[in-house]
Amino acid sequence: QKEVEQDPGPLSVPEGAIVSLNCTYSNSAFQYFMWYRQYSRKGPELLMYTYSSGNKEDGRFTAQVDKSSKYISLFIRDSQPSDSATYLCAMSDGTGKLIFGQGTTLQVKP
Amino acid sequence: KAGVTQTPRYLIKTRGQQVTLSCSPISGHRSVSWYQQTPGQGLQFLFEYFSETQRNKGNFPGRFSGRQFSNSRSEMNVSTLELGDSALYLCASSLDFLGDTQYFGPGTRLTVL
Repeated sequence: QKEVEQDPGPLSVPEGAIVSLNCTYSNSAFQYFMWYRQYSRKGPELLMYTYSSGNKEDGRFTAQVDKSSKYISLFIRDSQPSDSATYLCAMSDGTGKLIFGQGTTLQVKP
Repeated sequence: KAGVTQTPRYLIKTRGQQVTLSCSPISGHRSVSWYQQTPGQGLQFLFEYFSETQRNKGNFPGRFSGRQFSNSRSEMNVSTLELGDSALYLCASSLDFLGDTQYFGPGTRLTVL
């Protein structure tokens, strides 16, 4: 079993929809949680970084962490075609090493 | 502020050869991490350097090695290339705190024939 599980999709939604992306993890030592967006043939781009359980909002993006359930989510409001990309969750136990999910491919149709 | 830069962007090598990839972190960042990305395995951690010292290492064979220079620039080397080493190699930099956010470069796409 992988330390971090993420549904690879693909996920297809109409423009303007609310998108929900999720990851589960098994390692209780994970303290830091990140979401990255990766466009084809590009490096991952940091979207959100959270340390504690709860919600963090940045523009159209909301990251949610539930440490008791070992579950993290990323919500995208008013999705745009430019949001079409692969979304990667990543976690760290503070040793400088990130463990990534497989990534979810999102397509937002105009 | 300039982002993480990686050179070269593309490389084609043959089995048995060796390759060196280079990474320049964001100015002021002292930690550099390397990752391998493949369609089958996703993003996997190779190693992390801080102040010229390797602090953490992933589960890769000894053919994969790295180093960091006093200006925080880093190189990774893969010797005796195998077909399975074909991947996107990503470098990420962060300030210094082990839980700090990592910012990725565009990657070097290595193809082994």
